[in-house]
Amino acid sequence: EDQVTQSPEALRLQEGESSSLNCSYTVSGLRGLFWYRQDPGKGPEFLFTLYSAGEEKEKERLKATLTKKESFLHITAPKPEDSATYLCAVPGGTSYGKLTFGQGTILTVHP
Amino acid sequence: SQTIHQWPATLVQPVGSPLSLECTVEGTSNPNLYWYRQAAGRGLQLLFYSIGIDQISSEVPQNLSASRPQDRQFILSSKKLLLSDSGFYLCAWMRVGSGANVLTFGAGSRLTVL
Repeated sequence: EDQVTQSPEALRLQEGESSSLNCSYTVSGLRGLFWYRQDPGKGPEFLFTLYSAGEEKEKERLKATLTKKESFLHITAPKPEDSATYLCAVPGGTSYGKLTFGQGTILTVHP
Repeated sequence: SQTIHQWPATLVQPVGSPLSLECTVEGTSNPNLYWYRQAAGRGLQLLFYSIGIDQISSEVPQNLSASRPQDRQFILSSKKLLLSDSGFYLCAWMRVGSGANVLTFGAGSRLTVL
């Protein structure tokens, strides 16, 4: 059974204070790893897909990296608008829509 | 461009009452459709998925059912709600065969069962 564990559960940063979120996974054959952002009361918004160890992707202040056991979401010089819950997920079976999600990391960035 | 709509956005229902949540996708054809639930303090859990009209697969045993009467319409239902059915229900879609492999979520429906 696929398992995804995210840490920390919550992270409070000052504006400009860089940090990283962790997503560790146990799957029988990784077919990809997804990062989503979720604002309170809204549906998750897609950020990145990583397919193989060593792959990196960037979007504004966010950079996602992937190893054989975990993924990191690095946040550089965060702003208050980066406050959200960040979710990672892995696909199960043969469908990329059947995702196993982690519990998420609640990020709060204070001005 | 493609858009996904869910309604109602918020619903408060008594125990034992029926439920119907609707989801429609615009701007694409023959999408794969999904219902996820996000309970308080828990991650998203896949409930149902559909690869075509009247083709529904259930991922977990539960008090809910799903139907797909039209290509771009997905409905989540219950005949009698339980307290444990409370949660945030998310419909999602994915284009088939494009290689993009991105699951796109709707805005969600918040269900509170009292």
